[in-house]
Amino acid sequence: DTGVSQDPRHKITKRGQNVTFRCDPISEHNRLYWYRQTLGQGPEFLTYFQNEAQLEKSRLLSDRFSAERPKGSFSTLEIQRTEQGDSAMYLCASSTRMQSSYNSPLHFGNGTRLTVT
Amino acid sequence: DAKTTQPNSMESNEEEPVHLPCNHSTISGTDYIHWYRQLPSQGPEYVIHGLTSNVNNRMASLAIAEDRKSSTLILHRATLRDAAVYYCILRPGNTGKLIFGQGTTLQVKP
Repeated sequence: DTGVSQDPRHKITKRGQNVTFRCDPISEHNRLYWYRQTLGQGPEFLTYFQNEAQLEKSRLLSDRFSAERPKGSFSTLEIQRTEQGDSAMYLCASSTRMQSSYNSPLHFGNGTRLTVT
Repeated sequence: DAKTTQPNSMESNEEEPVHLPCNHSTISGTDYIHWYRQLPSQGPEYVIHGLTSNVNNRMASLAIAEDRKSSTLILHRATLRDAAVYYCILRPGNTGKLIFGQGTTLQVKP
């Protein structure tokens, strides 16, 4: 168990550019989550997948954000036309399915810190 | 989503027990009570969760009030490594997501 891996750890980009982050969940975890966290705030839910299906997406997620999990393993989060307000830590988490329970713990990665200049 | 209320910050002395309170007066019957903590520069880490009964694991204990409108996370002997932001979260039984609040920043003094 190598934990949830996120790449890159840091990303600096200019306003208007597109960025893509990658998340590798714990092997055989079928649920994958994306969160965003700004300084001093708790993590904010963005979206979540069960296998390759995107089951829920926050209303806070604008059309500039898109997430994919094409083969039900790793996931990517893309932000198009970045804005300074997108500067944040982007966290990925995964969990396993325990029968029909949604209460298996989430395992978080250490995030990708995005700075938009 | 049902909300939780936690103190913004708490202090503890090393090797003493810590009781972190959480109020959740609007909890529904299918909401589980989850606790996560976040150390500086790291992602959140699962601590414990429960539904009605008190729970113990290697990290902590969770005491749940009989009416389920409040709960307390208990760290039996605080260490400097326990200094973190602790989040109390209500997780509906039919959804995968966790909704984080502001949490309690715990400082542990040597």
